[in-house]
Formats: sequence, structure tokens, C-alpha cells
Amino acid sequence: AQTVTQSQPEMSVQEAETVTLSCTYDTSESDYYLFWYKQPPSRQMILVIRQEAYKQQNATENRFSVNFQKAAKSFSLKISDSQLGDAAMYFCAYRRGNAGNMLTFGGGTRLMVKP
Amino acid sequence: GAVVSQHPSWVICKSGTSVKIECRSLDFQATTMFWYRQFPKQSLMLMATSNEGSKATYEQGVEKDKFLINHASLTLSTLTVTSAHPEDSSFYICRLKGGLEAHEQYFGPGTRLTVT
Repeated sequence: AQTVTQSQPEMSVQEAETVTLSCTYDTSESDYYLFWYKQPPSRQMILVIRQEAYKQQNATENRFSVNFQKAAKSFSLKISDSQLGDAAMYFCAYRRGNAGNMLTFGGGTRLMVKP
Repeated sequence: GAVVSQHPSWVICKSGTSVKIECRSLDFQATTMFWYRQFPKQSLMLMATSNEGSKATYEQGVEKDKFLINHASLTLSTLTVTSAHPEDSSFYICRLKGGLEAHEQYFGPGTRLTVT
């Protein structure tokens, strides 16, 4: 079974600074997808970024980028120029390839942004 | 992205009553729907998976007779919490799978259930 681990229950960053959230996973599959979701106080889950395991290039979306280390099974999220609106719970998630249905979530990291 | 709605967004009910939560896809047909529950400051826990027109598949430890799931159409799934107890108080979130692409995963806004 796949597992996703987020070792940082809480993180804090100063506004405009950069923060990195950690995520590790365990799988025996070679084809899979990894995601970072943001859950603000409204509780609506928002997709931040996704990474296909077959791609070597790290995904980027504006201020958000990932460091995908497939051999180490590591998938960290870097938020640059942090903004107050980035404060939220962040969940790392794994999905098997081949049209797999299951999304396995990590335990989450609460990010606080200090003005 | 696709629009998913949940109704109600917040419900308070008395212990012993049943509560129905709806999850609707407003602009696409969802072949598969998932129901999660989330306790405060915790991650999402998958409860069950449902495909339109067939019985739901429940995760281990989830009572299928207590959490009734009906995937009546490609745009509607309902979760009924029967004989609710205070320990059922939680945040319930649906997720819809719109297609084969990995990014076609759409979450509802969630329903907060409080059982008194």
C-alpha cells in the first residue's frame, strides 16, 4: 500500500520569504502522480501543483515549485515570496497511474505566514 | 475547473436522526465519486468510493449501514448518516473524478456536520 508522510505538522514563514514543505512517499509503482493541495480556512481543497512521475523536470506554477526526487521518493513544495493568503493547510497526495482512482493524502502541514 | 457543490454546507442535528448530504457536479459527468471525512486538524480520510449505478465500495472500518451512499446519476451522489451520534460530527468532503487525466479531480466545498 502507498503511504504519504508529511513530517512537519506546522511551519511558519515571514511574508515575502521562501518556505519549503516536505513530503515523502512509499510506493512500488513506477507510474504515478504527486500533488500538493491547499486547504484554506474555507476548507475548499485547491490543487496547487502536480507532478507526473515520468517527468524529470520539476513542476512549477508561478510562486510554487516542487523538488521531485524520485529515487529518494521525496516531493517537497517550495513557496516563494510568501503571501498572507498562502496561510493554509497543505496536503501532499499520491495517485497511482493508469487511471487510478485513489488519492492517498499525507497528514498535512499547517503553514502560517507572519506579516 | 469544474464546479462541484455540496448541500448543505453546515448542518446541526440531534443525536439519533439521519442527515443526507448531497454532492453535485454542475458542469460535467462524474463517473466516480469519493466521500471523505476530516476531523479538526487532521487529514482527509477516505470513507467510500462509488460508481454511478453500482454499490459503493467502503473502506475498512467504515460502517456501510451507517453511512449510506447513493450514486444515483452521473451528477449526483448522496451520503446519508443514519442514526447520527456526536462522534459523527465532522467535515465531509466529496471528490469527483471527471476523466482519465490525473488533474481531473474536483473537490466539493465540504459539509460540516454537528450532532448534538
